[in-house]
Amino acid sequence: NAGVMQNPRHLVRRRGQEARLRCSPMKGHSHVYWYRQLPEEGLKFMVYLQKENIIDESGMPKERFSAEFPKEGPSILRIQQVVRGDSAAYFCASSPRDRDSYGYTFGSGTRLTVV
Amino acid sequence: QKEVEQNSGPLSVPEGAIASLNCTYSDRGSQSFFWYRQYSGKSPELIMSIYSNGDKEDGRFTAQLNKASQYVSLLIRDSQPSDSATYLCAVSGGSNYKLTFGKGTLLTVNP
Repeated sequence: NAGVMQNPRHLVRRRGQEARLRCSPMKGHSHVYWYRQLPEEGLKFMVYLQKENIIDESGMPKERFSAEFPKEGPSILRIQQVVRGDSAAYFCASSPRDRDSYGYTFGSGTRLTVV
Repeated sequence: QKEVEQNSGPLSVPEGAIASLNCTYSDRGSQSFFWYRQYSGKSPELIMSIYSNGDKEDGRFTAQLNKASQYVSLLIRDSQPSDSATYLCAVSGGSNYKLTFGKGTLLTVNP
């Protein structure tokens, strides 16, 4: 049973480009969580999604960031018009049930570098 | 603003010693407490969870929770060089899915 799969592992974008980060949850999991880890910072909650629903996006920057989890396919975290400050590691996690905080497992992450 | 505080370290211990990592949190409503280990360039890996006051042991790891003092700790016995990593303390409250992380403590175990 594969774990949480994220791709790409590394992503380089020039300022002003768009970044798309993908997360495939563990089999049977329908809840996805995205976290961001800035250099020298702890992980920060960004968004919680269920299939076709955004449950909590309180940690998402107000502009340029969006997330979706369609009925079919992976969850996507989209960053438009990237800036240098978006350079970070982005991790997602998944769970099989609602509001699960029994120490969920993170994917391997996407390391975004904006040049 | 809910906060989780950890000493950034680095904490350096000799091989075979006990490493003690500490964490305090500000939200008295917090219910679940976790320790993650993160090697450089890798994703955080869950190593311990604790939900009630007292000690919880798992192999060489012991988590301790004191809700009255809002304090969580992790003890690593017989430390090994492979334990060298950043240890992240994480706390969740009423909205169980949202974890608040500390910035982590860098542990170095010297052979």
